[in-house]
Amino acid sequence: GDSVTQMEGPVTLSEEAFLTINCTYTATGYPSLFWYVQYPGEGLQLLLKATKADDKGSNKGFEATYRKETTSFHLEKGSVQVSDSAVYFCARGSQGNLIFGKGTKLSVKP
Amino acid sequence: GAGVSQSPSNKVTEKGKDVELRCDPISGHTALYWYRQSLGQGLEFLIYFQGNSAPDKSGLPSDRFSAERTGGSVSTLTIQRTQQEDSAVYLCASSLVQGRENEQFFGPGTRLTVL
Repeated sequence: GDSVTQMEGPVTLSEEAFLTINCTYTATGYPSLFWYVQYPGEGLQLLLKATKADDKGSNKGFEATYRKETTSFHLEKGSVQVSDSAVYFCARGSQGNLIFGKGTKLSVKP
Repeated sequence: GAGVSQSPSNKVTEKGKDVELRCDPISGHTALYWYRQSLGQGLEFLIYFQGNSAPDKSGLPSDRFSAERTGGSVSTLTIQRTQQEDSAVYLCASSLVQGRENEQFFGPGTRLTVL
């Protein structure tokens, strides 16, 4: 079945460091791809999305590019802040619902 | 406007009891989804409703789980004869319509603990 694999955490970075969280998906069909973020004590919220190959989603300094050839949707940010500490979930659309990765916890230290 | 709301926020129950979890989607959203978030398991799809169509129940883990959506709005997820492995955070989401591009808006979840 459809699945999403993302790098396991936790990831600990210093402020202003470069962030990459890897995500790959099963190549069934042409899914939309998403990154959701869950800040401490809050609900899941959409961070960015891309709906077709080579699309780049971006928001709050985060970016991810839909790579069909490598079935990847890696999340990147050039300079993380303490406020970016959260759990990040990669997801793909599947038959109308979302298939999520297991989440990557990011901690950013000042 | 108001987001997705869920109640209760926390529920502690004894093994073998039934529980009902409620979700109020965003007004006007026709699609409603239930997910389960367990430690080490990530987010797991349970069921979704789209308008008046028959729900997709393919993610329900056992026949102890059921859900209904009354009047195309509020939804209730029922777990019968709860087991300890049912302990998790149950998340509800809604979207304007069901579709590959449509953003799902999530509620804060109900944390269920089965003793």
